[in-house]
Amino acid sequence: KAGVTQTPRYLIKTRGQQVTLSCSPISGHRSVSWYQQTPGQGLQFLFEYFSETQRNKGNFPGRFSGRQFSNSRSEMNVSTLELGDSALYLCASRPFSGANVLTFGAGSRLTVL
Amino acid sequence: DAKTTQPTSMDCAEGRAANLPCNHSTISGNEYVYWYRQIHSQGPQYIIHGLKNNETNEMASLIITEDRKSSTLILPHATLRDTAVYYCIVQPRSGGGADGLTFGKGTHLIIQP
Repeated sequence: KAGVTQTPRYLIKTRGQQVTLSCSPISGHRSVSWYQQTPGQGLQFLFEYFSETQRNKGNFPGRFSGRQFSNSRSEMNVSTLELGDSALYLCASRPFSGANVLTFGAGSRLTVL
Repeated sequence: DAKTTQPTSMDCAEGRAANLPCNHSTISGNEYVYWYRQIHSQGPQYIIHGLKNNETNEMASLIITEDRKSSTLILPHATLRDTAVYYCIVQPRSGGGADGLTFGKGTHLIIQP
């Protein structure tokens, strides 16, 4: 069974640009959530999608957005990038019902210059 | 704020049992204890979860006190590959909750050769 796939793995952007990150969940998993990890703040929840609808949202500004497609694949977008957006962005999937077990991808490491 | 308290770091000799404690004194009746770990530069990996009974799987054992206010994750024969940050999380069994998973700072376990 293929794991959670995130692309791109690494990227460098400059302040003011925008970025789109992609996540393909485990086959059959209908829930996708996104987390930001920085050295200072640790792992923080961004949002969760299920059946193309955002179900939960963390405490992040509106520059952070996401969407989920009918095949459960998900994208997140960060607009007007700031230096503080430099982080590892992690995607996780789960079946939504049953135990609250997330399977994480390897992450996309974003550097903002 | 995280609902759990863990030591910042611990050392363990290779081949010995690693016992990682977690305090969760405000855990509610419908919340389970989940453990994840994160090896450097990788996404978190699910280890085990439980409600009130002790649990064991191929990776670890989970001991939860009778009052459910604390738990211990046991890696029976630690290897160098077990060096990672271990996160203890309390969460309802299913559903992500409004705030997603709250990871806290975790315990950095270092296995010494």
